[in-house]
Amino acid sequence: NAGVTQTPKFQVLKTGQSMTLQCAQDMNHNSMYWYRQDPGMGLRLIYYSASEGTTDKGEVPNGYNVSRLNKREFSLRLESAAPSQTSVYFCASRREETQYFGPGTRLLVL
Amino acid sequence: AQSVTQPDIHITVSEGASLELRCNYSYGATPYLFWYVQSPGQGLQLLLKYFSGDTLVQGIKGFEAEFKRSQSSFNLRKPSVHWSDAAEYFCAVGAIAGNQFYFGTGTSLTVIP
Repeated sequence: NAGVTQTPKFQVLKTGQSMTLQCAQDMNHNSMYWYRQDPGMGLRLIYYSASEGTTDKGEVPNGYNVSRLNKREFSLRLESAAPSQTSVYFCASRREETQYFGPGTRLLVL
Repeated sequence: AQSVTQPDIHITVSEGASLELRCNYSYGATPYLFWYVQSPGQGLQLLLKYFSGDTLVQGIKGFEAEFKRSQSSFNLRKPSVHWSDAAEYFCAVGAIAGNQFYFGTGTSLTVIP
């Protein structure tokens, strides 16, 4: 039982490049989340998916898109990366009121 | 508007000393309250949560937190800190039956021998 897994662990992009961050959970949870973590800012919600087939914007959705591919997988896409998107990205799944977090993806945009 | 304030950016305590991390929240609905811990390079792990009942809740690793509605606070405490408690601690709030959670900016804990 791996919990929440994220790939890649670390990525360097040039401004304007695109990439997809992958997230999968094996706990059969309905809800999944994408957060970004920046120094002094805590975690901020980018998008969430309350159930398979639905997605909703969070606090900071601009510059991102998401896909809830199936119940297990929830991906985050950066279509045209910007230096302001340099951050650590966390995926989480949720059972009742508790969230379970992945190990994070560190993204550097040059 | 929903918000969580952790007024202490960084705290240093000696091993064996007691610890209190502060959290204040602003939330329009009846809140769920949480404390998470993040070790370096890791994801967040739930320490404890509160949504109703006894206002003093016990969590993992010997932590406890007290909900004070009149002060909109949910402070985290531990009687005797261990070196392994060095980490970043986040307070969070969410709505009962809601979908979104709001995190504070975190408090970094250093434990000195």
